[in-house]
Amino acid sequence: RKEVEQDPGPFNVPEGATVAFNCTYSNSASQSFFWYRQDCRKEPKLLMSVYSSGNEDGRFTAQLNRASQYISLLIRDSKLSDSATYLCVVRGNTGFQKLVFGTGTRLLVSP
Amino acid sequence: SQTIHQWPATLVQPVGSPLSLECTVEGTSNPNLYWYRQAAGRGLQLLFYSVGIGQISSEVPQNLSASRPQDRQFILSSKKLLLSDSGFYLCAARDLWDTNTGELFFGEGSRLTVL
Repeated sequence: RKEVEQDPGPFNVPEGATVAFNCTYSNSASQSFFWYRQDCRKEPKLLMSVYSSGNEDGRFTAQLNRASQYISLLIRDSKLSDSATYLCVVRGNTGFQKLVFGTGTRLLVSP
Repeated sequence: SQTIHQWPATLVQPVGSPLSLECTVEGTSNPNLYWYRQAAGRGLQLLFYSVGIGQISSEVPQNLSASRPQDRQFILSSKKLLLSDSGFYLCAARDLWDTNTGELFFGEGSRLTVL
């Protein structure tokens, strides 16, 4: 089983739609969780951290379910500019606290 | 914030040729440094990380090597490239003191094609 698993998509949605991605992780001792965004042929960039109580940043909402070991990202009122690949990232509890990246979920927002 | 400079941006190399990718970091000191590879359709694979000058840890066995000759310089090398070395190589840095977001700052990447 992969340490971090995501549905690769693509998710094709019209502008204005609400879309949600899930990500599961295998290490129950994982400490920190993040969503990164990666545009085509570009480097990943941090979108938001995921806190235990859930957190919101504008149109983006991230949630963590430790019991079921998954995190989610909800995007409301999708924009064309949201088209990208969204990477789920988990940090372990070892001394080095390695970041493990999922393979990403591709989102395509159409007019 | 940190800035990561990475070069070359693109290169095409024959099988068996050597490789050197360079990464320098600005805006922080004593960062943790990383080399990742992203193959087509696959996630980011951690290749090497470094917590200080001359300190290199390898995550996966391979024909690549890394060196950190200076605090903010990280180099990825190979003596003889394989076809399977093709991919998008990303250098990343994490501020040692940033325990809040755990954010990794990435360079713009080096796209390597081995023919």
